[in-house]
Amino acid sequence: EAGVAQSPRYKIIEKRQSVAFWCNPISGHATLYWYQQILGQGPKLLIQFQNNGVVDDSQLPKDRFSAERLKGVDSTLKIQPAKLEDSAVYLCASSLDLREAPYGYTFGSGTRLTVV
Amino acid sequence: RKEVEQDPGPFNVPEGATVAFNCTYSNSASQSFFWYRQDCRKEPKLLMSVYSSGNEDGRFTAQLNRASQYISLLIRDSKLSDSATYLCVVNNDYKLSFGAGTTVTVRA
Repeated sequence: EAGVAQSPRYKIIEKRQSVAFWCNPISGHATLYWYQQILGQGPKLLIQFQNNGVVDDSQLPKDRFSAERLKGVDSTLKIQPAKLEDSAVYLCASSLDLREAPYGYTFGSGTRLTVV
Repeated sequence: RKEVEQDPGPFNVPEGATVAFNCTYSNSASQSFFWYRQDCRKEPKLLMSVYSSGNEDGRFTAQLNRASQYISLLIRDSKLSDSATYLCVVNNDYKLSFGAGTTVTVRA
């Protein structure tokens, strides 16, 4: 079974620039999550999708972050404009269904963003 | 107060030693609990679920104390390959909240 695919693996941008990350979940997984992991901290949930609908985006800084999951498959997370404090690893995870989430999370390898 | 709090460590132990650490959670209504393992520059991976009755998986033992709202992980007969950050994870309404992690380093 192919895992959760994320790209790019690394990205370096200057502050105030824009950046986008892409995630392709495991085939058939209805639930998709974006997490932000700052160095030395645990992953923090940014947004959760069930198919192409948003379940929870309460911790997404909506003034600069946006995410979409058109057609309920792959997803993109965008930051515009980036700040220095956005430097982090952005992890995508998927699970078969919402109720399976706790036991069936699979994370992608993440995108490491450095804002200079 | 943070949702999940952990002792960051690091715990530096020799091979063969036993190491144990806890985490506490703030929401008494949390439904389920897990330990994830994260290697350096890698993604988190599920290590084990945690049940009220306590459970073992080989050299790993997890305990849950709902009354005191803490979870523990014990590693027996530590191996070099156990060196990692261990994340305490709490499920609230199908959303996982992660602690900052406890770093364990096993030395030869």
